[in-house]
Amino acid sequence: GENVGLHLPTLSVQEGDNSIINCAYSNSASDYFIWYKQESGKGPQFIIDIRSNMDKRQGQRVTVLLNKTVKHLSLQIAATQPGDSAVYFCAENMGSFGNEKLTFGTGTRLTIIP
Amino acid sequence: NAGVTQTPKFQVLKTGQSMTLQCAQDMNHEYMSWYRQDPGMGLRLIHYSVGAGITDQGEVPNGYNVSRSTTEDFPLRLLSAAPSQTSVYFCASSWQSGGDTGELFFGEGSRLTVL
Repeated sequence: GENVGLHLPTLSVQEGDNSIINCAYSNSASDYFIWYKQESGKGPQFIIDIRSNMDKRQGQRVTVLLNKTVKHLSLQIAATQPGDSAVYFCAENMGSFGNEKLTFGTGTRLTIIP
Repeated sequence: NAGVTQTPKFQVLKTGQSMTLQCAQDMNHEYMSWYRQDPGMGLRLIHYSVGAGITDQGEVPNGYNVSRSTTEDFPLRLLSAAPSQTSVYFCASSWQSGGDTGELFFGEGSRLTVL
């Protein structure tokens, strides 16, 4: 079936450097994508979202890029900090509303090296 | 605001037992959902609700029941627990429909072990 996947399961980045987490999706009909951060023992936390009519969206230290041609999503984190260490999930919406039927990827564990 | 509150945080069941995972939100959200998280598989949608009295199945609904009698509560019932239902369960809520943000608010999770 169609699903959302990630290229790399783990990523280690030096503190202060930028990090890029990638995600591939296969459902060309998906029109809404979200990135979540999950710290150990906690529930996922919303980071940033993007709709299919956009190719870039920026937040505080984070940028999401969407390439619909190759069905690729990425999350860029600038000037990484120790608190950025977590598992990051991309998700796409399969329903009619923003969050109705989210399909999550398997996650990438980001480790920030002090 | 408490946000999304799940109880219990930990539970051990024997095969065949039934139980209910509770979820409550105090943000007046219309949309609520249950996910399970297993190692290496991300989160998978079990059931969801777009408002009181309305529920629908997600990706992995078998073995689970839900109801939505109030806006605040969305309990998840395991009818006859099986070892395959050992997982971490997350309840989530949000305002319905699109808009500028589709933020889904998650609870802290309920870790269930079925022996």
